[in-house]
Amino acid sequence: GAVVSQHPSWVICKSGTSVKIECRSLDFQATTMFWYRQFPKQSLMLMATSNEGSKATYEQGVEKDKFLINHASLTLSTLTVTSAHPEDSSFYICSARDPTGGGGYTFGSGTRLTVV
Amino acid sequence: DAKTTQPTSMDCAEGRAANLPCNHSTISGNEYVYWYRQIHSQGPQYIIHGLKNNETNEMASLIITEDRKSSTLILPHATLRDTAVYYCIVRANAGGTSYGKLTFGQGTILTVHP
Repeated sequence: GAVVSQHPSWVICKSGTSVKIECRSLDFQATTMFWYRQFPKQSLMLMATSNEGSKATYEQGVEKDKFLINHASLTLSTLTVTSAHPEDSSFYICSARDPTGGGGYTFGSGTRLTVV
Repeated sequence: DAKTTQPTSMDCAEGRAANLPCNHSTISGNEYVYWYRQIHSQGPQYIIHGLKNNETNEMASLIITEDRKSSTLILPHATLRDTAVYYCIVRANAGGTSYGKLTFGQGTILTVHP
């Protein structure tokens, strides 16, 4: 089936620095990808929809200037957390629609971000 | 988006069938029922989906009531590796306000014990 690769799987950064997370569709093209955030013991919260060649669509309450999304190719979307703070520490997950049919979505393995 | 209601947690003995219910009484005619699961610290995994007919695949069966207001995910022979959070999501496959998005609720924590 379709595979979405996410990198890095975990990262620790200092407050005030920026961190980039990559999401790649390995064996298919994804014109749309989705970015989620998950805090401990909570469900996934959709942050934004990444659209290839155009601006991302952010969910209400998500700061677009803080969470920069770039979808420059059909197989790569990146999420950059700018000027990270400890409260940005979370599990970030990307997904793309599985092109093999059925309408299901395939998810990356997630990135654990810890801001110290 | 149509909302779903699931029990917070369930237990199941290994080797037995796990039946996970989901209520989606406000589901629209063009919305499918999707089931995903998330094992701790991993990305969600697709399990199965359906519109109005019952569905079965290698992982599970999905039973949807005739009025489509509720459904049940069945893991026929649960194993310890099936311990996870199971999410029931309704979403339109084309058009509609829920198209393209997966909105996760709190899900059901399924614990399979020996």
